[in-house]
Amino acid sequence: RKEVEQDPGPFNVPEGATVAFNCTYSNSASQSFFWYRQDCRKEPKLLMSVYSSGNEDGRFTAQLNRASQYISLLIRDSKLSDSATYLCVVKGGYGNKLVFGAGTILRVKS
Amino acid sequence: DAMVIQNPRYQVTQFGKPVTLSCSQTLNHNVMYWYQQKSSQAPKLLFHYYDKDFNNEADTPDNFQSRRPNTSFCFLDIRSPGLGDAAMYLCATSTDGYEQYFGPGTRLTVT
Repeated sequence: RKEVEQDPGPFNVPEGATVAFNCTYSNSASQSFFWYRQDCRKEPKLLMSVYSSGNEDGRFTAQLNRASQYISLLIRDSKLSDSATYLCVVKGGYGNKLVFGAGTILRVKS
Repeated sequence: DAMVIQNPRYQVTQFGKPVTLSCSQTLNHNVMYWYQQKSSQAPKLLFHYYDKDFNNEADTPDNFQSRRPNTSFCFLDIRSPGLGDAAMYLCATSTDGYEQYFGPGTRLTVT
């Protein structure tokens, strides 16, 4: 079983739609959680950290469920520029390293 | 203002011909990482330096080596590239293992 698992998608949505991604992690000792965004042939960039209480940044909302070991990302009012791969990242497992999921592809269409 | 710089951005090498990728940073971060990312896959950590301490991942092939001559620079050496080593190589930095900042990557092609 992979340490971090994501639905690869692609999620094809129209502009203005709300879309949600989930991610599960296997190591219950994991301490920190993040969503990164990666555009085609570019480097990953931190989108937001994920806190136990949930957090929001504009159109983006992240939530963590430690009991079920899953993390979610909600994007409201999708823009064409949101098209990218979204990587779920977990820290604090074996060796306290970042462990990346393989990513979920989002395509927003006009 | 680029903070993590990787050179070259694109590298073509021949099968078995040694190649060196470079990474430099202006952030004065004490931790530097090298990742390998193949198409549609997650970035895979190869090794990292915590200050001068080198930490190799257990499954990183011996073909991959690294050097960190000072805080700002880190190199990835591939001694005998195979076709399977074609990938994007990402350098990242952090302070004490917190938020990681990635460079733009070097895309390696092996012919």
